[in-house]
Amino acid sequence: SYELTQAPSVSVSPGQTASITCSGDNLGNKFSFWYQKKPGQSPVLVIYQDNKRPSGIPERFSGSNSGSTATLTISGTQAMDEADYYCQAWDSTTVVFGGGTKLTVL
Amino acid sequence: QVQLQESGPGLVKPSETLSLTCAVSGSSISTYYWTWVRQSPGKGLEWIGYIYMTGGTNYNPSLKSRVTISGDTSKNQFSLELSSVTAADTAVYYCARLAQRPMGERYFDNWGQGTLVTVSS
Repeated sequence: SYELTQAPSVSVSPGQTASITCSGDNLGNKFSFWYQKKPGQSPVLVIYQDNKRPSGIPERFSGSNSGSTATLTISGTQAMDEADYYCQAWDSTTVVFGGGTKLTVL
Repeated sequence: QVQLQESGPGLVKPSETLSLTCAVSGSSISTYYWTWVRQSPGKGLEWIGYIYMTGGTNYNPSLKSRVTISGDTSKNQFSLELSSVTAADTAVYYCARLAQRPMGERYFDNWGQGTLVTVSS
């Protein structure tokens, strides 16, 4: 079965750039999606189709996908961005989530 | 706007069947793909499966033998049944809608608030 791998945690200082990666076999040949998940809240889509931002998502969120790695980049990270981030892709007709990355802003 | 609301027992005994319903407003379940996702305590998101009312269902291979997702267009709601539950099935269960896009481009665009189901005797 297809797997997506994420680092368990990433730390960033406020105002700096955070990069969260997601690896999978030939992931660049698929679309990647990113969700932000805060405790007690439902997930929120922050990036779709590799690099598109839904309405209402700040411009500091961006994405890329090439080769075997998709990357979520948060520029000028704010305290409110502290959350778990999950990548998602499709394996044919099956949904696959990465294991999630906890972003700590300190 | 689109709203999804999960409902069902918060406590289920081991070996029994977990049953949840997702009531949808603002969108017809006759269109779109409708899904269930769960998150066990301290764990990540896990896709359970989806239903497309005119196209059938598809389930996570790891849960396929125990999962049934069905829909009721007259009530505009869809349901999840997970049989033979164990403590490992304790989780927050979310219902969600997949965006109306070609397969491979779909993403979760609307979510319910989630409901905690605990498996314990």
